[in-house]
Amino acid sequence: DAGVIQSPRHEVTEMGQEVTLRCKPISGHDYLFWYRQTMMRGLELLIYFNNNVPIDDSGMPEDRFSAKMPNASFSTLKIQPSEPRDSAVYFCASSFGTGRPSYNEQFFGPGTRLTVL
Amino acid sequence: GQQVMQIPQYQHVQEGEDFTTYCNSSTTLSNIQWYKQRPGGHPVFLIQLVKSGEVKKQKRLTFQFGEAKKNSSLHITATQTTDVGTYFCAGRGAGSYQLTFGKGTTLSVIP
Repeated sequence: DAGVIQSPRHEVTEMGQEVTLRCKPISGHDYLFWYRQTMMRGLELLIYFNNNVPIDDSGMPEDRFSAKMPNASFSTLKIQPSEPRDSAVYFCASSFGTGRPSYNEQFFGPGTRLTVL
Repeated sequence: GQQVMQIPQYQHVQEGEDFTTYCNSSTTLSNIQWYKQRPGGHPVFLIQLVKSGEVKKQKRLTFQFGEAKKNSSLHITATQTTDVGTYFCAGRGAGSYQLTFGKGTTLSVIP
């Protein structure tokens, strides 16, 4: 398996522009997570899905952020409009659900480094 | 909400010295996981602890879960340059599937 795939790996955009980050989870995983990592705030959970359904989006900073999971193999995180304070590394992670033998470990993608000028 | 504190934030050690990072939760956890992130990389799962007082070892790494299931530690014996990176603990509360990550301890090893 190729692991969790994220694109793009790097994104540089100007303030006010729309940004779309993409994630393909590991096949068969039931859960998908979006995290944001910054030096100041560390690794923060933004939202997570179970079987394509959003379960908890309380970590989404504000209405400018939205996430979708139209099917089991694809998810997007959109920021519109983007602001300089959104600059961070965004990770997608996936895992099996409870009851599986894999101890629910989360497999992280390589991340998207977003810079908003 | 649940908070997970991790100390120290940074640790510099001479190669061969030991290293320990500590993790404390504001609430009782159902389990705790540890991840390692190499510079420029992504977090990689190391281990999960579930039972009160549990101790697990992976070669030179020893992981402990406190009796009250509110704290945990990771100890590395005789550090090597390959141990360089940031170590995160991540706690899961009762009835919750999400993980709350500590801010991590960044280890640098001086050869």
